[in-house]
Amino acid sequence: DAKTTQPTSMDCAEGRAANLPCNHSTISGNEYVYWYRQIHSQGPQYIIHGLKNNETNEMASLIITEDRKSSTLILPHATLRDTAVYYCIVRVAGYNTDKLIFGTGTRLQVFP
Amino acid sequence: GAVVSQHPSRVICKSGTSVKIECRSLDFQATTMFWYRQFPKQSLMLMATSNEGSKATYEQGVEKDKFLINHASLTLSTLTVTSAHPEDSSFYICSARDHSGGAYNEQFFGPGTRLTVL
Repeated sequence: DAKTTQPTSMDCAEGRAANLPCNHSTISGNEYVYWYRQIHSQGPQYIIHGLKNNETNEMASLIITEDRKSSTLILPHATLRDTAVYYCIVRVAGYNTDKLIFGTGTRLQVFP
Repeated sequence: GAVVSQHPSRVICKSGTSVKIECRSLDFQATTMFWYRQFPKQSLMLMATSNEGSKATYEQGVEKDKFLINHASLTLSTLTVTSAHPEDSSFYICSARDHSGGAYNEQFFGPGTRLTVL
């Protein structure tokens, strides 16, 4: 079973920041938080991952709470092309522990 | 990021036939590849983990004799759906992980293969 809970859906106006929350209250100390997104009828696309420090890349920022029980993915300036299902996944990083168990994700709708 | 391809992108077949789907890592070597299935409006479900040169590891409830997986090289894994039936119609997605950079690399996903069994 997935170890994360996310809201089913969210809306965001184009150009505004999209903040997608994720709860992972049972996360272990050696588990990373990964975010992927899936645009309709395509394979998932990696966005970002982190362990305990906040992370930022060209796509998004990841804010992880100090107790690591929740995190927020931030798309700073959402565009219509960011409309997708966003998945938050916890995973132990290691050569023999590669599994990504997908939950139901959050369906983000960016509107004009 | 690294590129993973799948072939074919979509396939329609008659009930009872077998269908082979290929997953290739184009610019990296993948010791491990994964196969997922996704039904309409549902999330991805992991079917099996494919390791180069060894037998695949199947998730609980996935029939290994029906979904044959071969990972004969570091850049190619195949999934064969044997004796396909309409209930096997789904979106099949593979992913691959590049181990060369260490244990913390992300998985890269293919574009998916839509299988329709008539």
